[in-house]
Amino acid sequence: QKEVEQNSGPLSVPEGAIASLNCTYSDRVSQSFFWYRQYSGKSPELIMSIYSNGDKEDGRFTAQLNKASQYVSLLIRDSQPSDSATYLCAVTNAGGTSYGKLTFGQGTILTVHP
Amino acid sequence: EPEVTQTPSHQVTQMGQEVILRCVPISNHLYFYWYRQILGQKVEFLVSFYNNEISEKSEIFDDQFSVERPDGSNFTLKIRSTKLEDSAMYFCATGGGYTFGSGTRLTVV
Repeated sequence: QKEVEQNSGPLSVPEGAIASLNCTYSDRVSQSFFWYRQYSGKSPELIMSIYSNGDKEDGRFTAQLNKASQYVSLLIRDSQPSDSATYLCAVTNAGGTSYGKLTFGQGTILTVHP
Repeated sequence: EPEVTQTPSHQVTQMGQEVILRCVPISNHLYFYWYRQILGQKVEFLVSFYNNEISEKSEIFDDQFSVERPDGSNFTLKIRSTKLEDSAMYFCATGGGYTFGSGTRLTVV
């Protein structure tokens, strides 16, 4: 059974702080990694994708991937109350120009308080 | 707002009834997926569809489920005889499977 594990939280940070979200996966052949944000009652919204070891930055978001440790993380800098949501980690064996199903973690609830 | 549109946004049905959930994907996308999320649980893969046929399906996707692309644009998920445990949010996704639709909340009573 291929598993994706996240700390369920809730994770509470003050406005302006860095929020750190973690995810581990069990399938060593996983190639593509994604972070989604999901507001209550809404669909998942893709915020970051990462395919290679190292860091990838996009605005206030930084994704970090370590395939040897089977670990992927998301850092949110200068957290805002609007960042309060559930963050979903998802992985797939597909890479490059191929596509495949996503396996999701259970999500981490993030609360940013003013 | 998601670029993938799903209808209806909410459907209430009686146990044993058939439901059809619809998805209008981003044009020119060839891969289509259905996922579901039971309240408070993980998003789960149901089925993937490529080139007008199922490419992969999960254990959840049993004989009561079917998918079609009836008119070359819409993409449907049919549940033939709904059960209480089918109550969930159902999401379609297209492209690399990475853009999710707005979702349909299915409530079976």
